[in-house]
Amino acid sequence: AQTVTQSQPEMSVQEAETVTLSCTYDTSENNYYLFWYKQPPSRQMILVIRQEAYKQQNATENRFSVNFQKAAKSFSLKISDSQLGDTAMYFCAFIPGIIQGAQKLVFGQGTRLTINP
Amino acid sequence: SAVISQKPSRDICQRGTSLTIQCQVDSQVTMMFWYRQQPGQSLTLIATANQGSEATYESGFVIDKFPISRPNLTFSTLTVSNMSPEDSSIYLCSVRGQGQNQPQHFGDGTRLSIL
Repeated sequence: AQTVTQSQPEMSVQEAETVTLSCTYDTSENNYYLFWYKQPPSRQMILVIRQEAYKQQNATENRFSVNFQKAAKSFSLKISDSQLGDTAMYFCAFIPGIIQGAQKLVFGQGTRLTINP
Repeated sequence: SAVISQKPSRDICQRGTSLTIQCQVDSQVTMMFWYRQQPGQSLTLIATANQGSEATYESGFVIDKFPISRPNLTFSTLTVSNMSPEDSSIYLCSVRGQGQNQPQHFGDGTRLSIL
């Protein structure tokens, strides 16, 4: 089965600190796409960052970066210099394959991140 | 990225009634999806809305309960039929553009409460 596991239901850090959210996944595919989505209390799902499995270089988007370990099937998200606006639910997700029509997002259970002032 | 408008943003409905949720995109998209997010839970895919043909439903979801329309490449509707309190959830529309590695974007969701 293709699954995503986020082992941290909740996390809390102080503003300006760095925080890392964990994610592991299970697939037999060799090529796939990985994503982190953010869902603030407004409930909108916002794409934070994405990684193609065939790329060895870790993706970065400003304060957000990932540590992609393909052999370990691990895809953690690091948020540097955290801000109050980063408070949200964070969902790890992946598309287990690159064939059009088979591209269904599989979501983890989410990590509720709180940034404290 | 595409701008996705979802209506209504929230509603409170009576048991046994039906509600249709609309999803409008400002550009043509290849794939449109409908998700359910029960309180405190992750997202679960209900179905893929196919343009000009019947939707493809995931296990546990049926057309009689969640009929879906997709008359063109920019619009889709999801109906939640014969509602019960268990249907109280956020329902989200999602789209993916043309191209193999296009990311998936979401509407703001519809928060549905059934009394």
